[in-house]
Amino acid sequence: DAGVTQSPTHLIKTRGQQVTLRCSPKSGHDTVSWYQQALGQGPQFIFQYYEEEERQRGNFPDRFSGHQFPNYSSELNVNALLLGDSALYLCASSYTGYGYTFGSGTRLTVV
Amino acid sequence: AQKITQTQPGMFVQEKEAVTLDCTYDTSDPSYGLFWYKQPSSGEMIFLIYQGSYDQQNATEGRYSLNFQKARKSANLVISASQLGDSAMYFCAAPRGGKLIFGQGTELSVKP
Repeated sequence: DAGVTQSPTHLIKTRGQQVTLRCSPKSGHDTVSWYQQALGQGPQFIFQYYEEEERQRGNFPDRFSGHQFPNYSSELNVNALLLGDSALYLCASSYTGYGYTFGSGTRLTVV
Repeated sequence: AQKITQTQPGMFVQEKEAVTLDCTYDTSDPSYGLFWYKQPSSGEMIFLIYQGSYDQQNATEGRYSLNFQKARKSANLVISASQLGDSAMYFCAAPRGGKLIFGQGTELSVKP
């Protein structure tokens, strides 16, 4: 039974560019949450998707957007990248908000 | 706002000894729970143990146990018989409205 799958594992982008990160949830899970983890910090909640809609959002600018597809997979998009967006981006899936399972993350470096 | 505090940025422990990682929470919500996760250098958050506020006993999962003290609002993780593979970051987290609020983490290093 596959867990949460994230792609790509590593990514290097230039300041001002746009990036898309992808997440496939664990089988049976219907909710996907995204977290940003800066170096040396705990993860910070970005937003959560359920039934293809953004259910709640953390304190992140509109440059961060997302999408959930009918198969429950999700994308995180970040526009106009800043150096400060460099971080590990974690995806977590759950069933109706319980039983969180995390992926291995995407390490984004903005240069 | 809910806050989770881990006051130990780094800890060292000798292999085969026990270690306690601290976590305190700030909430007036009577219905809450607390998770502990392990994050190795690969980045994945690995679930270790969960304590519900109404659980009668401290949670235990293999070598992991929680020292849960409601009056002190603390939920410390105890790892018994440390192994070299336990070297990693450890995070305490509380679920709030479907999202997780994390502490700053503790880096544990196990010495041979």
